[in-house]
Amino acid sequence: DIQMTQSPSSLSASVGDRVTFTCRASQSISNSLSWYQQKPGKAPNLLIFAASTLQSGVPSRFSGSGSGTDFTLTISSLQPEDFATYYCQQSYTTLYTFGQGTKLEIK
Amino acid sequence: EVQLVESGGGLVKPGGSLRLSCEASGFTYSNYSMNWVRQAPGRGLEWVSSITSSGAYLFYADSVKGRFTISRDNAKNSLYLQMKSLRVEDTAVYYCVRENVYDISTGYYMAFVDWGQGTLVTVSS
Repeated sequence: DIQMTQSPSSLSASVGDRVTFTCRASQSISNSLSWYQQKPGKAPNLLIFAASTLQSGVPSRFSGSGSGTDFTLTISSLQPEDFATYYCQQSYTTLYTFGQGTKLEIK
Repeated sequence: EVQLVESGGGLVKPGGSLRLSCEASGFTYSNYSMNWVRQAPGRGLEWVSSITSSGAYLFYADSVKGRFTISRDNAKNSLYLQMKSLRVEDTAVYYCVRENVYDISTGYYMAFVDWGQGTLVTVSS
Protein backbone atom coordinates (compact mmCIF):
# COMPACT_ATOMS: atom_id res chain seq x y z
CA ASP A 1 0.00 0.00 0.00
CA ILE A 2 1.07 3.58 -0.60
CA GLN A 3 1.84 5.43 2.64
CA MET A 4 1.15 9.15 2.93
CA THR A 5 3.12 11.21 5.45
CA GLN A 6 2.15 14.76 6.36
CA SER A 7 4.29 17.32 8.09
CA PRO A 8 4.15 19.00 10.45
CA SER A 9 1.55 17.21 12.58
CA SER A 10 0.49 20.57 14.01
CA LEU A 11 1.16 24.19 13.21
CA SER A 12 0.42 27.46 15.01
CA ALA A 13 -0.16 30.59 12.96
CA SER A 14 -1.92 33.95 13.02
CA VAL A 15 -4.63 35.47 10.89
CA GLY A 16 -3.03 36.91 7.77
CA ASP A 17 -0.07 34.50 7.79
CA ARG A 18 0.99 32.43 4.81
CA VAL A 19 1.22 28.74 5.72
CA THR A 20 2.37 25.65 3.87
CA PHE A 21 1.63 22.00 4.61
CA THR A 22 3.63 19.12 3.19
CA CYS A 23 2.53 15.65 2.11
CA ARG A 24 4.90 12.92 0.95
CA ALA A 25 4.00 9.64 -0.74
CA SER A 26 5.98 6.43 -0.24
CA GLN A 27 6.13 5.99 -4.02
CA SER A 28 5.32 8.12 -7.02
CA ILE A 29 1.63 8.91 -7.37
CA SER A 30 1.94 11.30 -10.33
CA ASN A 31 -0.48 14.08 -9.41
CA SER A 32 -3.27 11.86 -8.06
CA LEU A 33 -3.56 13.76 -4.80
CA SER A 34 -6.39 15.56 -3.04
CA TRP A 35 -6.51 17.85 -0.01
CA TYR A 36 -9.37 18.04 2.50
CA GLN A 37 -10.22 20.39 5.34
CA GLN A 38 -11.99 19.09 8.44
CA LYS A 39 -13.40 21.16 11.29
CA PRO A 40 -14.24 19.61 14.68
CA GLY A 41 -17.41 17.53 14.64
CA LYS A 42 -17.86 17.95 10.89
CA ALA A 43 -17.24 15.81 7.83
CA PRO A 44 -14.21 16.66 5.68
CA ASN A 45 -14.53 19.08 2.78
CA LEU A 46 -12.71 18.72 -0.54
CA LEU A 47 -10.35 21.61 -1.29
CA ILE A 48 -8.09 20.49 -4.11
CA PHE A 49 -7.86 17.52 -6.49
CA ALA A 50 -5.28 16.51 -9.09
CA ALA A 51 -2.68 18.10 -6.79
CA SER A 52 -3.39 21.65 -7.89
CA THR A 53 -6.97 22.04 -9.14
CA LEU A 54 -9.20 24.04 -6.83
CA GLN A 55 -12.60 22.52 -6.13
CA SER A 56 -15.52 24.75 -7.11
CA GLY A 57 -16.41 27.20 -4.35
CA VAL A 58 -13.09 26.97 -2.52
CA PRO A 59 -11.45 30.36 -1.91
CA SER A 60 -8.49 31.23 -4.12
CA ARG A 61 -6.22 31.73 -1.10
CA PHE A 62 -5.87 27.93 -1.14
CA SER A 63 -3.42 26.44 -3.63
CA GLY A 64 -1.74 23.11 -4.18
CA SER A 65 1.39 21.98 -5.97
CA GLY A 66 3.64 19.02 -6.51
CA SER A 67 3.85 15.75 -8.37
CA GLY A 68 5.54 12.41 -7.94
CA THR A 69 6.11 12.01 -4.21
CA ASP A 70 6.15 15.55 -2.77
CA PHE A 71 3.17 17.85 -2.48
CA THR A 72 2.25 21.08 -0.74
CA LEU A 73 -0.91 22.91 0.26
CA THR A 74 -0.56 26.65 0.78
CA ILE A 75 -2.94 29.14 2.33
CA SER A 76 -1.80 32.57 1.20
CA SER A 77 -3.44 34.67 3.94
CA LEU A 78 -5.04 32.83 6.84
CA GLN A 79 -8.62 33.66 7.71
CA PRO A 80 -10.28 32.79 11.04
CA GLU A 81 -12.36 30.06 9.39
CA ASP A 82 -9.24 28.27 8.11
CA PHE A 83 -8.22 26.92 11.51
CA ALA A 84 -8.91 23.22 11.08
CA THR A 85 -7.19 19.92 10.31
CA TYR A 86 -5.96 19.25 6.77
CA TYR A 87 -5.56 15.83 5.16
CA CYS A 88 -3.96 14.70 1.93
CA GLN A 89 -5.19 11.58 0.11
CA GLN A 90 -3.79 9.60 -2.80
CA SER A 91 -5.96 8.13 -5.53
CA TYR A 92 -3.17 6.66 -7.66
CA THR A 93 -4.29 3.20 -6.59
CA THR A 94 -7.79 2.07 -5.68
CA LEU A 95 -6.55 1.26 -2.18
CA TYR A 96 -6.90 4.90 -1.29
CA THR A 97 -4.87 6.22 1.63
CA PHE A 98 -4.87 9.41 3.68
CA GLY A 99 -2.09 11.21 5.46
CA GLN A 100 -2.35 11.46 9.24
CA GLY A 101 -3.36 15.12 9.09
CA THR A 102 -1.94 18.52 10.04
CA LYS A 103 -3.80 20.49 12.70
CA LEU A 104 -3.68 24.24 12.14
CA GLU A 105 -4.11 26.17 15.37
CA ILE A 106 -4.37 29.83 16.24
CA LYS A 107 -1.20 31.36 17.66
CA GLU B 1 -28.48 19.24 -3.24
CA VAL B 2 -26.54 16.06 -2.60
CA GLN B 3 -27.48 14.30 0.61
CA LEU B 4 -25.91 11.21 2.13
CA VAL B 5 -27.56 9.96 5.31
CA GLU B 6 -25.94 7.14 7.25
CA SER B 7 -27.69 4.95 9.79
CA GLY B 8 -27.15 1.72 11.68
CA GLY B 9 -24.37 2.69 14.05
CA GLY B 10 -24.40 1.79 17.71
CA LEU B 11 -22.76 -0.17 20.50
CA VAL B 12 -21.70 -3.74 19.80
CA LYS B 13 -19.54 -6.25 21.66
CA PRO B 14 -16.23 -7.48 20.27
CA GLY B 15 -16.87 -10.29 17.82
CA GLY B 16 -20.30 -8.94 17.00
CA SER B 17 -21.84 -7.73 13.75
CA LEU B 18 -23.45 -4.55 12.52
CA ARG B 19 -24.86 -3.33 9.20
CA LEU B 20 -24.51 0.30 8.19
CA SER B 21 -26.74 1.92 5.58
CA CYS B 22 -26.46 5.12 3.59
CA GLU B 23 -29.35 6.66 1.71
CA ALA B 24 -28.34 8.94 -1.16
CA SER B 25 -30.28 11.70 -2.89
CA GLY B 26 -29.71 14.74 -5.08
CA PHE B 27 -27.68 12.98 -7.79
CA THR B 28 -27.92 10.02 -10.16
CA TYR B 29 -26.71 7.44 -7.65
CA SER B 30 -26.19 4.61 -10.15
CA ASN B 31 -23.55 6.66 -12.00
CA TYR B 32 -21.08 6.95 -9.13
CA SER B 33 -18.65 4.81 -7.19
CA MET B 34 -19.23 5.03 -3.45
CA ASN B 35 -17.01 4.62 -0.44
CA TRP B 36 -16.90 4.18 3.31
CA VAL B 37 -14.31 6.19 5.23
CA ARG B 38 -13.92 5.99 9.01
CA GLN B 39 -12.40 8.10 11.75
CA ALA B 40 -11.55 6.73 15.16
CA PRO B 41 -12.09 9.15 18.08
CA GLY B 42 -9.40 11.83 18.00
CA ARG B 43 -7.66 10.19 15.06
CA GLY B 44 -7.27 10.72 11.34
CA LEU B 45 -9.24 9.53 8.33
CA GLU B 46 -9.01 5.93 7.12
CA TRP B 47 -10.46 4.73 3.83
CA VAL B 48 -12.37 1.47 4.44
CA SER B 49 -13.97 0.27 1.24
CA SER B 50 -15.26 1.26 -2.18
CA ILE B 51 -17.71 -0.10 -4.73
CA THR B 52 -18.01 0.81 -8.39
CA SER B 53 -21.21 2.24 -9.84
CA SER B 54 -22.62 -1.10 -10.99
CA GLY B 55 -21.37 -2.98 -7.95
CA ALA B 56 -19.12 -5.13 -10.10
CA TYR B 57 -15.87 -4.22 -8.36
CA LEU B 58 -15.24 -4.05 -4.64
CA PHE B 59 -12.13 -2.84 -2.80
CA TYR B 60 -11.16 -3.07 0.86
CA ALA B 61 -8.47 -1.78 3.19
CA ASP B 62 -6.28 -4.56 4.57
CA SER B 63 -7.55 -3.76 8.08
CA VAL B 64 -11.10 -4.87 7.22
CA LYS B 65 -10.63 -7.37 4.39
CA GLY B 66 -12.45 -10.62 5.09
CA ARG B 67 -14.58 -9.05 7.84
CA PHE B 68 -16.46 -6.22 6.10
CA THR B 69 -18.61 -6.43 2.95
CA ILE B 70 -19.67 -3.41 0.93
CA SER B 71 -22.77 -3.55 -1.27
CA ARG B 72 -25.26 -1.26 -2.95
CA ASP B 73 -28.82 -1.24 -4.23
CA ASN B 74 -29.13 1.20 -7.11
CA ALA B 75 -32.91 0.84 -7.19
CA LYS B 76 -33.05 2.12 -3.61
CA ASN B 77 -30.20 4.65 -3.92
CA SER B 78 -28.56 2.94 -0.99
CA LEU B 79 -25.09 1.85 0.12
CA TYR B 80 -24.36 -0.73 2.79
CA LEU B 81 -21.49 -1.95 4.92
CA GLN B 82 -21.87 -5.32 6.61
CA MET B 83 -19.37 -5.57 9.44
CA LYS B 84 -18.55 -8.87 11.14
CA SER B 85 -16.02 -10.04 13.73
CA LEU B 86 -15.85 -6.48 15.02
CA ARG B 87 -12.84 -5.42 17.07
CA VAL B 88 -12.32 -2.63 19.57
CA GLU B 89 -10.14 -0.90 16.99
CA ASP B 90 -13.11 -0.68 14.59
CA THR B 91 -14.63 1.94 16.88
CA ALA B 92 -15.06 5.06 14.73
CA VAL B 93 -17.40 7.41 12.96
CA TYR B 94 -18.18 5.86 9.59
CA TYR B 95 -18.79 8.22 6.69
CA CYS B 96 -20.57 7.43 3.43
CA VAL B 97 -18.72 9.22 0.63
CA ARG B 98 -19.48 9.91 -3.00
CA GLU B 99 -16.50 9.62 -5.32
CA ASN B 100 -16.27 11.88 -8.35
CA VAL B 101 -14.01 11.52 -11.34
CA TYR B 102 -12.85 14.81 -12.80
CA ASP B 103 -11.93 15.02 -16.48
CA ILE B 104 -9.37 17.79 -16.88
CA SER B 105 -6.71 18.53 -19.50
CA THR B 106 -4.09 16.33 -17.87
CA GLY B 107 -6.31 13.30 -17.40
CA TYR B 108 -8.91 11.78 -15.09
CA TYR B 109 -8.72 12.32 -11.34
CA MET B 110 -10.79 10.98 -8.49
CA ALA B 111 -11.70 12.74 -5.26
CA PHE B 112 -14.16 12.34 -2.41
CA VAL B 113 -16.58 15.13 -3.21
CA ASP B 114 -19.59 14.56 -0.92
CA TRP B 115 -19.70 13.18 2.63
CA GLY B 116 -22.49 12.17 4.95
CA GLN B 117 -22.67 13.34 8.55
CA GLY B 118 -21.33 10.01 9.79
CA THR B 119 -22.61 7.27 12.09
CA LEU B 120 -20.76 6.19 15.24
CA VAL B 121 -19.85 2.55 15.75
CA THR B 122 -18.59 1.65 19.21
CA VAL B 123 -17.11 -1.78 19.82
CA SER B 124 -16.78 -2.43 23.52
CA SER B 125 -17.52 -5.11 26.06
